[in-house]
Amino acid sequence: DAKTTQPTSMDCAEGRAANLPCNHSTISGNEYVYWYRQIHSQGPQYIIHGLKNNETNEMASLIITEDRKSSTLILPHATLRDTAVYYCIVRVANGDDKIIFGKGTRLHILP
Amino acid sequence: GAGVSQSPSNKVTEKGKDVELRCDPISGHTALYWYRQRLGQGLEFLIYFQGNSAPDKSGLPSDRFSAERTGESVSTLTIQRTQQEDSAVYLCASSFRTGDYGYTFGSGTRLTVV
Repeated sequence: DAKTTQPTSMDCAEGRAANLPCNHSTISGNEYVYWYRQIHSQGPQYIIHGLKNNETNEMASLIITEDRKSSTLILPHATLRDTAVYYCIVRVANGDDKIIFGKGTRLHILP
Repeated sequence: GAGVSQSPSNKVTEKGKDVELRCDPISGHTALYWYRQRLGQGLEFLIYFQGNSAPDKSGLPSDRFSAERTGESVSTLTIQRTQQEDSAVYLCASSFRTGDYGYTFGSGTRLTVV
């Protein structure tokens, strides 16, 4: 059970911000939201994670709603190399637990 | 090493043969995970090692699958009497136990059973 719901696919124009939504309405208080992506023929790549505050790093920003039931991953200036499957996952950080991947969102960046 | 290393990168084997896949995690990473990804499908969890604790084998699909890890180093995934449905990319990942920064995945081993 992946505990998250994401759209199956999305398109975004190159150079625009890509906003990928994720619903996690049953998230627990000690669970973080993690995002990974998998570019074709590669292993998944960690992007970002957060608990309740918005987070930003060199790859993306993560916006988590106040009730923590949903979040949005933002790629500020999408490039063709951002075409990938994006996975939103909830799990306890520092926990003895494995990540269960859902089906993710297939993001197509259009030239 | 700088990343998670998996070998071989590609393996073609005949149905019924045994295969062994290797994963070298990042030095210092105490947790190690194996996943399977069939063509066009999502990632299936197989097994998880955390330090010297008993591994979580809950994802292994049958008793033909086994994995070992010595301490916090190399892991091997063994598939006995391979079947065509075992054809997939087998991905290994490692992570720190504390101060979680997420998993680092290897590039995988593409297994083809003919």
